[in-house]
Amino acid sequence: GAVVSQHPSRVICKSGTSVKIECRSLDFQATTMFWYRQFPKKSLMLMATSNEGSKATYEQGVEKDKFLINHASLTLSTLTVTSAHPEDSSFYICSALGALRTEAFFGQGTRLTVV
Amino acid sequence: AQTVTQSQPEMSVQEAETVTLSCTYDTSENNYYLFWYKQPPSRQMILVIRQEAYKQQNATENRFSVNFQKAAKSFSLKISDSQLGDTAMYFCAFMMIYNTDKLIFGTGTRLQVFP
Repeated sequence: GAVVSQHPSRVICKSGTSVKIECRSLDFQATTMFWYRQFPKKSLMLMATSNEGSKATYEQGVEKDKFLINHASLTLSTLTVTSAHPEDSSFYICSALGALRTEAFFGQGTRLTVV
Repeated sequence: AQTVTQSQPEMSVQEAETVTLSCTYDTSENNYYLFWYKQPPSRQMILVIRQEAYKQQNATENRFSVNFQKAAKSFSLKISDSQLGDTAMYFCAFMMIYNTDKLIFGTGTRLQVFP
């Protein structure tokens, strides 16, 4: 099956700093990637849909200036949490639509802790 | 907007028994995919089964099968011969085939398989 690699798996940063999370499709080209946030024992909340070469589409209530998404190539999308605060601490998951666009493949997730 | 609802926050089943997880969804679209994903303690999302809305036949993958009722907008997952390794969170998910690409998840059902 297709592989999606998400990095880092864990990150701790200081309040007020920015942190970047990478999502790579290793063996296929992904024109569309999704970014999710998951609170403990909760569902995956869609934050934004990232399309290669165009601006990301953000879900209602998600601050686009706070969560910067860049999808500059067919194999890489990045999520940058700017000026992080403790309330941004969460588990972030990316997924990429396969070439046939019938299935999404998931990264391993990133646990972000802002101290 | 599309919504996905899972009304069972927690379920339990004895090993080797059968369990059914419920999912309902709401959409005005006619062409879409439905999925069941499994999230074990590692938090890696794993695709269990996929159903295309245009197919009347229910999807089956080994011990996993679905009961897809399009008119009722219902999509339940049956796990036969439950195994200890089936213990996980199970998420029902919806994705449109055309137009907007969004993969939306239900609230999840925590399944515990007891020996």
